[in-house]
Amino acid sequence: AQTVTQSQPEMSVQEAETVTLSCTYDTSENNYYLFWYKQPPSRQMILVIRQEAYKQQNATENRFSVNFQKAAKSFSLKISDSQLGDTAMYFCACMEYGNKLVFGAGTILRVKS
Amino acid sequence: KAGVTQTPRYLIKTRGQQVTLSCSPISGHRSVSWYQQTPGQGLQFLFEYFSETQRNKGNFPGRFSGRQFSNSRSEMNVSTLELGDSALYLCASTTDSSSYEQYFGPGTRLTVT
Repeated sequence: AQTVTQSQPEMSVQEAETVTLSCTYDTSENNYYLFWYKQPPSRQMILVIRQEAYKQQNATENRFSVNFQKAAKSFSLKISDSQLGDTAMYFCACMEYGNKLVFGAGTILRVKS
Repeated sequence: KAGVTQTPRYLIKTRGQQVTLSCSPISGHRSVSWYQQTPGQGLQFLFEYFSETQRNKGNFPGRFSGRQFSNSRSEMNVSTLELGDSALYLCASTTDSSSYEQYFGPGTRLTVT
């Protein structure tokens, strides 16, 4: 069965610094997609970044980048130049097929000024 | 483009009642997925509809059901409500293209008393 594990329940970082959130997953499929979603206090889920498993190049979206290690089934999120608005719950998710996302338990990130 | 909309945003029901939640996807999106978010179980996939057909179903009892209309709007119904059904119910839509990016609505907060 597909599983996603986020081992860091909470993290904090100083404004303007860099932080890395960890995620490991398990799947028997060779083709799948990985995502990081952000859920601020408003509870609106926002897509941060997406990675296709067949692509070796790590995805990047402005200050957000991933370190995708397919063999290790690891998918970490790096946030550079952290901003107060980055404070949120971050969810790692995996999709094998059929638009079914399997989420990790989430990591609460607090950016301090 | 307007985002995913969900109605109502908040709902209070009594045990044993039934409830219907509505989700209008982004224009042009034909796939709608539903998720339940609770503090204890996290985010769990309920089901996915595409072109009025249920394509995937999560591990929830038969009290949870859904449907999709020809305009892609979707409803989910929970019958014989239990206290444990109190949750944030999120729907997400996608074009079902190769990107598989799901865009979430703001959610419906259901409280069962």
